[in-house]
Amino acid sequence: GQQLNQSPQSMFIQEGEDVSMNCTSSSIFNTWLWYKQDPGEGPVLLIALYKAGELTSNGRLTAQFGITRKDSFLNISASIPSDVGIYFCAGRQYGNKLVFGAGTILRVKS
Amino acid sequence: DVKVTQSSRYLVKRTGEKVFLECVQDMDHENMFWYRQDPGLGLRLIYFSYDVKMKEKGDIPEGYSVSREKKERFSLILESASTNQTSMYLCASSPLPGTGGGSNQPQHFGDGTRLSIL
Repeated sequence: GQQLNQSPQSMFIQEGEDVSMNCTSSSIFNTWLWYKQDPGEGPVLLIALYKAGELTSNGRLTAQFGITRKDSFLNISASIPSDVGIYFCAGRQYGNKLVFGAGTILRVKS
Repeated sequence: DVKVTQSSRYLVKRTGEKVFLECVQDMDHENMFWYRQDPGLGLRLIYFSYDVKMKEKGDIPEGYSVSREKKERFSLILESASTNQTSMYLCASSPLPGTGGGSNQPQHFGDGTRLSIL
């Protein structure tokens, strides 16, 4: 099945730093979603993007739907220890199915 | 809040056993999904269902089957468990387009079942 290319695979950053991660694809998507998974739990939706060029914020998180519809990025500003987890991007082309990236593991040094 | 409940958080089974993973959602969603999550591979879709008794194969259906007898419940079945089916299994649900949720409603996930096949 189709996969999204998510990078970086993992990050180890200092508390207070800003974080960026992105997803790219060779195909066009109509929806981009960003999820976070805490250890031992299921993914939780952070941000949903529905239009090309859309920039949406949720607290310290900001995500953008790429203008070409083939990519999206997520920024976290002023990271804190509870930002630790796995971040997944997901895209929807049509219908009900999502395609997921492999995830970015975020570790924060306090 | 949407609640997706998976019956077991941890499960250990033996090779060759028939294994049932259960998922229940309380939001009257039409769509339900089963994924497996493996390190470095993200979430891969096994099967999904858009209505009672309806099912469609995802990207990796081999070795699995599903059952949707009631709208709120979606079961994943490992017909004859094998060690390569050791994984984290995640269930998700979402409404259908046009049912008040819009065409782009995100999926809501359960907390997962970590299955080990010995």
